[in-house]
Amino acid sequence: DAGVIQSPRHEVTEMGQEVTLRCKPISGHNSLFWYRQTMMRGLELLIYFNNNVPIDDSGMPEDRFSAKMPNASFSTLKIQPSEPRDSAVYFCASISGGAVTDTQYFGPGTRLTVL
Amino acid sequence: AQTVTQSQPEMSVQEAETVTLSCTYDTSENNYYLFWYKQPPSRQMILVIRQEAYKQQNATENRFSVNFQKAAKSFSLKISDSQLGDTAMYFCAFMKHRAGGGADGLTFGKGTHLIIQP
Repeated sequence: DAGVIQSPRHEVTEMGQEVTLRCKPISGHNSLFWYRQTMMRGLELLIYFNNNVPIDDSGMPEDRFSAKMPNASFSTLKIQPSEPRDSAVYFCASISGGAVTDTQYFGPGTRLTVL
Repeated sequence: AQTVTQSQPEMSVQEAETVTLSCTYDTSENNYYLFWYKQPPSRQMILVIRQEAYKQQNATENRFSVNFQKAAKSFSLKISDSQLGDTAMYFCAFMKHRAGGGADGLTFGKGTHLIIQP
């Protein structure tokens, strides 16, 4: 079975441009998470969804960031406008959830560079 | 809010030795899960081992085992017979159990860079 799929794997853009990161969770998983990894702040949770509904977006740094999950097999994280401090690795993870919580499985990450 | 602390930024051992990575956490939750993830240079996050807080028995996975001390809020990882392929960043992570089911986000420590020397 395929794991969590993220695209693109690398993204280089210029300050002010819109950036869209994409994630396909593992089939059957009903919770999806977006994390950001930087040298300064480490790994931090941005937002997560249960059954396509956003549950906690308190980690989203500011209004320039938005995330959607239109269906169970697809989610996007958008940054508009992008800034150099947004440069990081962005991970998507999914979990089966339900009454017995399982383990979060991570995608390969998207390395974003904003010039 | 939960916090996770890894006090060893970097460790280096010889191949075949045993190494222990430390992790402490702070929480007011009673039901939760603890994890160790490995991140090699490829940056892929790989689950190493997990522990449910309600289980007293320490989890083991082949060469990897944990020492879970709930009262002390300590969760260390022991790697036996270390191999060159174990060289990576290791992250300790906490996830609280949501009443009624569903998942919750992970809180990570800053990581320990483990180097296995040949």
